[in-house]
Amino acid sequence: SAVISQKPSRDICQRGTSLTIQCQVDSQVTMMFWYRQQPGQSLTLIATANQGSEATYESGFVIDKFPISRPNLTFSTLTVSNMSPEDSSIYLCSVRTGVTEAFFGQGTRLTVV
Amino acid sequence: AQSVAQPEDQVNVAEGNPLTVKCTYSVSGNPYLFWYVQYPNRGLQFLLKYITGDNLVKGSYGFEAEFNKSQTSFHLKKPSALVSDSALYFCAVEGRWGAGTKLIIKP
Repeated sequence: SAVISQKPSRDICQRGTSLTIQCQVDSQVTMMFWYRQQPGQSLTLIATANQGSEATYESGFVIDKFPISRPNLTFSTLTVSNMSPEDSSIYLCSVRTGVTEAFFGQGTRLTVV
Repeated sequence: AQSVAQPEDQVNVAEGNPLTVKCTYSVSGNPYLFWYVQYPNRGLQFLLKYITGDNLVKGSYGFEAEFNKSQTSFHLKKPSALVSDSALYFCAVEGRWGAGTKLIIKP
């Protein structure tokens, strides 16, 4: 298993600013994932972050808007840039170790005003 | 196109009755199948998975799921529902997520 610490847990931000979300894992993992979830709805994968390479973004998500860092095998950050109210959502960090189940952080509830 | 479907937005069950939350998928090959639960204002938690072997898999909190290859389904079940089972349930197949089913257990 893996324990994930994600912070901040929530934030209220002004439009036009940026927020960086941190994800710390208690063990080394190859693959880390960033998701967005509207409350009560399904998960949408933003990008996959592997250490030592650039993140792979899903359709509809671009690096300029959601830059990701993955400096080592236990840590990653997601930045939500130039925020607008449409970016208000829950952002989730997740890891998988091979073909096993995914483990999730508690999420970051972002409100953009 | 590969997809995962949870046909019911919400399932209502009386406490003590059996429950079923449905999941069907359209993914090629022999996929890995998962169920997760999300309690209000909390992160997602893994419930159970099917990789290979026995079609009936048992997981956390008394839940089980039955893999049916011919029907490409992986329905989540529990023989006797508890009010505390009320939550949002997600089926996931090879990294693809269902829309989620809200399970409401009434006392």
